Amino acid sequence: NAGVTQTPKFQVLKTGQSMTLQCAQDMNHNSMYWYRQDPGMGLRLIYYSASEGTTDKGEVPNGYNVSRLNKREFSLRLESAAPSQTSVYFCASSVLGAYGYTFGSGTRLTVV
Amino acid sequence: AQTVTQSQPEMSVQEAETVTLSCTYDTSESNYYLFWYKQPPSRQMILVIRQEAYKQQNATENRFSVNFQKAAKSFSLKISDSQLGDTAMYFCAEIETSGSRLTFGEGTQLTVNP
Repeated sequence: NAGVTQTPKFQVLKTGQSMTLQCAQDMNHNSMYWYRQDPGMGLRLIYYSASEGTTDKGEVPNGYNVSRLNKREFSLRLESAAPSQTSVYFCASSVLGAYGYTFGSGTRLTVV
Repeated sequence: AQTVTQSQPEMSVQEAETVTLSCTYDTSESNYYLFWYKQPPSRQMILVIRQEAYKQQNATENRFSVNFQKAAKSFSLKISDSQLGDTAMYFCAEIETSGSRLTFGEGTQLTVNP
């Protein structure tokens, strides 16, 4: 039972490059989320998808786009990476927020 | 908008002792849920304990328990008989019943010393 799978685990980008972070869950959860984690700031919500076919902005959406490809997959795209996007990115899913979220193992992204 | 605050960036405790991590939150809702997540050096986010706001009884999970003070909007985590494996970053989080977003505090880095 894989849970939430994120790829890649590590990535180094040059400023201006683009990339897509992939996320898939096998728990039949309706809702999926992308967070970024920065020291002293906890986890901040970038985008979320409450159900297949819908996406909404979170607290820090600028510089990112998302795609809810199907119920299982929710990708995060950086069109033109900036050093300020250096962070650890987490994907999560939930069947109902009241029960908490299940998280992937994270992607450490460095933009140089 | 809901906010969650953890005022202790770092804490340390001796093995086998008890430690309490603090968390305060602000919400305009009457129904909500509170969580503590643990993030060990592996980076994995692990749910430690969950509290339903409409329940007065404090949640417990083995060595982990909470002190939930609804009027004060306080939600502290007590770890008893601390073990070396408890060394981790701990995050407090809150979600409103009417909302769809889990909001996190800044985190507290706990170190258990042998």
